[in-house]
Amino acid sequence: NAGVTQTPKFQVLKTGQSMTLQCAQDMNHEYMSWYRQDPGMGLRLIHYSVGAGITDQGEVPNGYNVSRSTTEDFPLRLLSAAPSQTSVYFCASSYGGHGYTFGSGTRLTVV
Amino acid sequence: GQQVMQIPQYQHVQEGEDFTTYCNSSTTLSNIQWYKQRPGGHPVFLIQLVKSGEVKKQKRLTFQFGEAKKNSSLHITATQTTDVGTYFCAEPSGGSNYKLTFGKGTLLTVNP
Repeated sequence: NAGVTQTPKFQVLKTGQSMTLQCAQDMNHEYMSWYRQDPGMGLRLIHYSVGAGITDQGEVPNGYNVSRSTTEDFPLRLLSAAPSQTSVYFCASSYGGHGYTFGSGTRLTVV
Repeated sequence: GQQVMQIPQYQHVQEGEDFTTYCNSSTTLSNIQWYKQRPGGHPVFLIQLVKSGEVKKQKRLTFQFGEAKKNSSLHITATQTTDVGTYFCAEPSGGSNYKLTFGKGTLLTVNP
């Protein structure tokens, strides 16, 4: 089992560019979430999904889109990158919400 | 919105000293989860507490859930340099485990 795989690990974007952060899990978990982590702010929920075809907004959804076409994949799309989106992004998955497995993260810098 | 308060924000100890971090919620929780994040790493799930007054141990780590299910603590006995990292508690938003709200974490540093 690979667990939760995130790509890329590092990315630099120019303001206004769009990109997709990939997340895949091979544990057949129905719950998947995207978090961003900023210094002093802890982990903040961006979007989450409770199963294929079902997504909803978290605490800080503005500027991000998600989709869940399969159980395994949960990509996060940045529509028009802004410097405020410079952060570390973590994808996580869980079976029933009883403990989440996190990916290794994507460090994104928007210049 | 729902908020989980975690204290202290930072804790520096000498190796061998004990360490405790606390989480307090404004609402009664269905459960609380604890995670550890090493510097430069990703959060790793440690444990979930569900029952009122529950106490669970993992080697030198002791986790407690308050009687009223509004607070929790993580205690590390005789810290080691391998304990360095940020410890987060997380509570389900609105009672739903698919929406976890994380505390801001306690950064533990250990002087060898």
